[in-house]
Amino acid sequence: SQQGEEDPQALSIQEGENATMNCSYKTSINNLQWYRQNSGRGLVHLILIRSNEREKHSGRLRVTLDTSKKSSSLLITASRAADTASYFCAQPISGNTPLVFGKGTRLSVIA
Amino acid sequence: DADVTQTPRNRITKTGKRIMLECSQTKGHDRMYWYRQDPGLGLRLIYYSFDVKDINKGEISDGYSVSRQAQAKFSLSLESAIPNQTALYFCATSDRGQVEQYFGPGTRLTVT
Repeated sequence: SQQGEEDPQALSIQEGENATMNCSYKTSINNLQWYRQNSGRGLVHLILIRSNEREKHSGRLRVTLDTSKKSSSLLITASRAADTASYFCAQPISGNTPLVFGKGTRLSVIA
Repeated sequence: DADVTQTPRNRITKTGKRIMLECSQTKGHDRMYWYRQDPGLGLRLIYYSFDVKDINKGEISDGYSVSRQAQAKFSLSLESAIPNQTALYFCATSDRGQVEQYFGPGTRLTVT
């Protein structure tokens, strides 16, 4: 069974707009990660947030974590066509590995 | 050269055939994983290995087996392929003490 669920399943925005994706999970975690997958390719790690962190930034990415609600959000600011991809949240089953992935949010950025 | 490589990249096989998917890594990581991805279902863990002598079943190990031939090599076998094993298969690695995983480019397997 999957630990996390992303919402929405699909998102379509115009270039320059912000994109927000949400992830809900079921059990306590010590970290949560976000990955990107370009169509049919391997996943690429974007950012990790630990359970004692509430917000983290990396370039145009902003991740928040609310452990009381068991949820996380990924914000991509000033989106570009190249951001078109699927985005997955992932959490470890136990300890730090292995990861359990959600079903992903498919983002389309229209130029 | 890519850090995590998978062979073959595409494979079409018939029901009942035995097939092996191979994964090699040059990252020097101890930990390796096999996932499958189906449309709308995300990635599901098949097997994982924390070192050469360690093999663990994942969420969906039935119908699959693995071999960790060396630190750098982790292969996945389908003993008798069936059509519902048609999927995209990914190998991934991670370093001990680190949490992020590094993925290979994937193998697209079609079982007819």
